[in-house]
Amino acid sequence: EPEVTQTPSHQVTQMGQEVILRCVPISNHLYFYWYRQILGQKVEFLVSFYNNEISEKSEIFDDQFSVERPDGSNFTLKIRSTKLEDSAMYFCASSTGRISGNTIYFGEGSWLTVV
Amino acid sequence: AQKITQTQPGMFVQEKEAVTLDCTYDTSDPSYGLFWYKQPSSGEMIFLIYQGSYDQQNATEGRYSLNFQKARKSANLVISASQLGDSAMYFCAMREGQGGSEKLVFGKGTKLTVNP
Repeated sequence: EPEVTQTPSHQVTQMGQEVILRCVPISNHLYFYWYRQILGQKVEFLVSFYNNEISEKSEIFDDQFSVERPDGSNFTLKIRSTKLEDSAMYFCASSTGRISGNTIYFGEGSWLTVV
Repeated sequence: AQKITQTQPGMFVQEKEAVTLDCTYDTSDPSYGLFWYKQPSSGEMIFLIYQGSYDQQNATEGRYSLNFQKARKSANLVISASQLGDSAMYFCAMREGQGGSEKLVFGKGTKLTVNP
């Protein structure tokens, strides 16, 4: 069964360092997403990406964040200068379409710890 | 206002019994989708079941069924014949509109514990 894969599964980084989280979405999907979940809290939308550009972003997704699809398979989330409050599980997700009926499939998450 | 409300922070059920996890939602959009995801302690988000706002019948997927009551704006997840492996966090989520916002909005989750 096709799945969304994410690397790394866990990363510890110093405050102020840049971090890149990588994702390989399901191959025939066209819409890609990043969500995050701070420990013990609910899952929050960060950004959606379609046709090589951001289609929607939340207020969390400020100038410190960027996304890229550098080739035909990878989808990355970059945090330019990490803060302690960026510590969270980051989920990549993908979908075939954007209407309400298109299921969004999540990867296993990348746990980011900023120290 | 909360778009997705899960009022049960924790639920306990005996193995082999059925359990209902509550979810109510708030939207004025006539077109929306409701999703349930399972998050085991390992952290991944596993899609369980989907219900569309125009679907006439309640969704079912194996031991999972969705009790969709549109007028009450509720979309409760029913797990039949609970298994120890069902112990996890369960999140209800909603996606609104035909080409409007693409994002899923999640509830706070319910932690289900299945007792042997």
